[in-house]
Amino acid sequence: AQSVSQHNHHVILSEAASLELGCNYSYGGTVNLFWYVQYPGQHLQLLLKYFSGDPLVKGIKGFEAEFIKSKFSFNLRKPSVQWSDTAEYFCAVRIDGQNFVFGPGTRLSVLP
Amino acid sequence: DTGVSQDPRHKITKRGQNVTFRCDPISEHNRLYWYRQTLGQGPEFLTYFQNEAQLEKSRLLSDRFSAERPKGSFSTLEIQRTEQGDSAMYLCASSLEGGQMNTEAFFGQGTRLTVV
Repeated sequence: AQSVSQHNHHVILSEAASLELGCNYSYGGTVNLFWYVQYPGQHLQLLLKYFSGDPLVKGIKGFEAEFIKSKFSFNLRKPSVQWSDTAEYFCAVRIDGQNFVFGPGTRLSVLP
Repeated sequence: DTGVSQDPRHKITKRGQNVTFRCDPISEHNRLYWYRQTLGQGPEFLTYFQNEAQLEKSRLLSDRFSAERPKGSFSTLEIQRTEQGDSAMYLCASSLEGGQMNTEAFFGQGTRLTVV
C-alpha cells in the first residue's frame, strides 16, 4: 500500500526564517501530489498541487514545492515565513485518480 | 457558503449509542470522501463515492461503520455501537472527477465526535 512520510513532527522558526518541510511517498508509478494546510480552528485548505509538467510548483501565500521523482519527494518551501503561517501542514498523494493518502503532518510554529 | 458543509459540528455520545453524520458536498462535485483524523495525525481514509456508488472502503474500517450517498448528492456516515476509540474528527471532502480532469479535494469543517 502506498504511504506518505513527513520528516518533521514539529518545526519552530522565527519570522523571516526560511522553511523547508520534507515529504516522501512510496509508489513507483505516476502520482499526483498535494500540500494542504490547516490553520488553527479551520478546515484543510489546498496550498499547491502537482499533476504533471514543471516539477517546481508555486502555490498560495508564497509557498512552492519541488517534485523530485528519483527521490520520491515533494518538499515544501517558503523563503521567509510569517507568524500567520503557524499551522499544520499535510502532504498527500493520489494514485490513479483514487483516494488521497495523507502524511502524518508537520506542525509549524512561527515565533513573532 | 458554497463549500463542503458537515452537520453536526460536534457530537457527544455515550458508548454503545449509534451516531449519524451528514455531509453536503460542493454541488457539482461527483466524488465524495470520508476521512477520520485524530490529534496529531493526518486524515485517515475511510471510504469514497463516485456519484451514488461506493467505490472503495478502507480495509481497516470496522463493520460498525457504514456510509451512504443515496442520490449522489449528500452523504451520511453512521457509526453503530460507538466505542471510545471512535472519538475523532470526521472529515468529508468532495472533488469533481471526469475524463482527463484531475482536481484537488475540498474539505469541510468536520464533525468532532466524543464518545464518553
